[in-house]
Amino acid sequence: DAKTTQPNSMESNEEEPVHLPCNHSTISGTDYIHWYRQLPSQGPEYVIHGLTSNVNNRMASLAIAEDRKSSTLILHRATLRDAAVYYCIHRGVVSNQGGKLIFGQGTELSVKP
Amino acid sequence: EAQVTQNPRYLITVTGKKLTVTCSQNMNHEYMSWYRQDPGLGLRQIYYSMNVEVTDKGDVPEGYKVSRKEKRNFPLILESPSPNQTSLYFCASSLYGSSYNEQFFGPGTRLTVL
Repeated sequence: DAKTTQPNSMESNEEEPVHLPCNHSTISGTDYIHWYRQLPSQGPEYVIHGLTSNVNNRMASLAIAEDRKSSTLILHRATLRDAAVYYCIHRGVVSNQGGKLIFGQGTELSVKP
Repeated sequence: EAQVTQNPRYLITVTGKKLTVTCSQNMNHEYMSWYRQDPGLGLRQIYYSMNVEVTDKGDVPEGYKVSRKEKRNFPLILESPSPNQTSLYFCASSLYGSSYNEQFFGPGTRLTVL
């Protein structure tokens, strides 16, 4: 199974940037890096994904290391609504049997007012 | 609004009483999937469907059935529920089941089997 490593928890202050790290040393060249988050009592929600280049969207930015063995999800200004469990997932041709997302334990982000 | 809906949201039932959890998406997605989420075990895939009439087992299919007669619907059937199927269930869909497509999740169904 595709394996990622994330810190169990992180804290942030409201309106400050948050950098959520992820290690994915077993990633292969065709694997995409996906981030999802799960707010309390809700289903997982897509955040962003990328292959090699850094990516930006309205929710966040994704910075991918040059060797692709790690990535960082960046929330530019954390809000209370960003408190959630953040999952880093890499998906590829081999690890993607059945189109499934292989969720690890994720990082629980808490945001302080 | 583009969404995945599930019904019911909460269900308490007894061992052996057949039940169906419905899932519907309005995005014309080809791919649909069911996951269960348990404390300490994370989310695990139960069944998936690449398109109408095409379904396949995920990682934990025992005790579950699915069908995909129309593109928008993907019901999860528990023919004879047991207490170990008490869990939080999520339906998901994406345009295709490929590695670059984002998946959209429903709000979840919390099932308790007594």
